[in-house]
Amino acid sequence: GQSLEQPSEVTAVEGAIVQINCTYQTSGFYGLSWYQQHDGGAPTFLSYNGLDGLEETGRFSSFLSRSDSYGYLLLQELQMKDSASYFCAAPPSGAGSYQLTFGKGTKLSVIP
Amino acid sequence: NAGVMQNPRHLVRRRGQEARLRCSPMKGHSHVYWYRQLPEEGLKFMVYLQKENIIDESGMPKERFSAEFPKEGPSILRIQQVVRGDSAAYFCASSPRPPGTTYEQYFGPGTRLTVT
Repeated sequence: GQSLEQPSEVTAVEGAIVQINCTYQTSGFYGLSWYQQHDGGAPTFLSYNGLDGLEETGRFSSFLSRSDSYGYLLLQELQMKDSASYFCAAPPSGAGSYQLTFGKGTKLSVIP
Repeated sequence: NAGVMQNPRHLVRRRGQEARLRCSPMKGHSHVYWYRQLPEEGLKFMVYLQKENIIDESGMPKERFSAEFPKEGPSILRIQQVVRGDSAAYFCASSPRPPGTTYEQYFGPGTRLTVT
């Protein structure tokens, strides 16, 4: 099985940088995805790390260290619209398994 | 290209009634996933379907719940004899390729089911 842990809430100031961590315990591991979900909205794919290291997409970056069973999402130049919940997710861990397992999410509040 | 469509967006059912949730994947996507989300919780996988086939239903309760993805028409998640504990948001997602070749899923807006 798979288990992903994230902080439940984070607050940061507009224009600042915030890092949302995700640690995982899995029986097999293929990578880490990140999704954003605004209140009442649909989850939206942000990034996927299949290999160790940093992936950058505009203001958002995601990092993975498989040896540390750890990843994070980095948001730079925070904007008010970035206030949302952010979920890390791990793809299926074994043959015959198709479950994308999600963490419980981190609620980010961006304040002026 | 329209995104993933789900309807209804809100559904109210009394205990014991049936709930039918519909999902039309993005054009060209033949892989559909259903998830359930409780307030302040992450998404819980329920079932993965390809056209006309259930591939993995390990996350779906054995009783009262069923899913289908017919050759023509939307995917349907059916909950029979609903109970209060079924109240949740149900999200459908689709992908153009199977798991293992892509981990990017496109989500619909969800159906909020309330059981009274």
